[in-house]
Amino acid sequence: DAGVTQSPTHLIKTRGQQVTLRCSPKSGHDTVSWYQQALGQGPQFIFQYYEEEERQRGNFPDRFSGHQFPNYSSELNVNALLLGDSALYLCASRPGTSGRATYNEQFFGPGTRLTVL
Amino acid sequence: KQEVTQIPAALSVPEGENLVLNCSFTDSAIYNLQWFRQDPGKGLTSLLLIQSSQREQTSGRLNASLDKSSGRSTLYIAASQPGDSATYLCAVPQYNAGNMLTFGGGTRLMVKP
Repeated sequence: DAGVTQSPTHLIKTRGQQVTLRCSPKSGHDTVSWYQQALGQGPQFIFQYYEEEERQRGNFPDRFSGHQFPNYSSELNVNALLLGDSALYLCASRPGTSGRATYNEQFFGPGTRLTVL
Repeated sequence: KQEVTQIPAALSVPEGENLVLNCSFTDSAIYNLQWFRQDPGKGLTSLLLIQSSQREQTSGRLNASLDKSSGRSTLYIAASQPGDSATYLCAVPQYNAGNMLTFGGGTRLMVKP
């Protein structure tokens, strides 16, 4: 089991550019969430995808958008990058179709480090 | 709105000490609480998931307790080792919000040889 995988590992962009980050969930998981972690802080929830739809969204602007594919993998897109978007972006997955999904443990990927210059 | 706080923010101890890391949350209506470990610049590794019906969960030298009524959880690390040096984060899922996790700010632990 490969666990949650993310690509790329590191990315450097300039202000105003657009970026796409990718995530493959753990085998057997169909729910994917994205988090932003600024240096020295805990992760902040961006949004969650299940059945190819955005189900929940945190307090992030529309510049942040996503997509989930039929194989449950997901993309995070950020437009018009700002210096403040520099952070570690984490993807998490869990099974969403279990009757006890609420209780299920969430597993995180290694993250993508985004630097905006 | 759920808020999660971790104390202390940083901790430095000599090898071999037993440690207690604290996590508090404002809304006691939680299903579970999860403790994570994060090495510098890396992703999160799940350490323990403690359900709301449980009071304790153990894995090796780690023991997590949960007191929902007081809004507190502790992570106990026995016989600390330099390899335990990392940031430890606690998180609770938001009810009726797809289990979005609300995290504390973390405790940065350094265990000196």
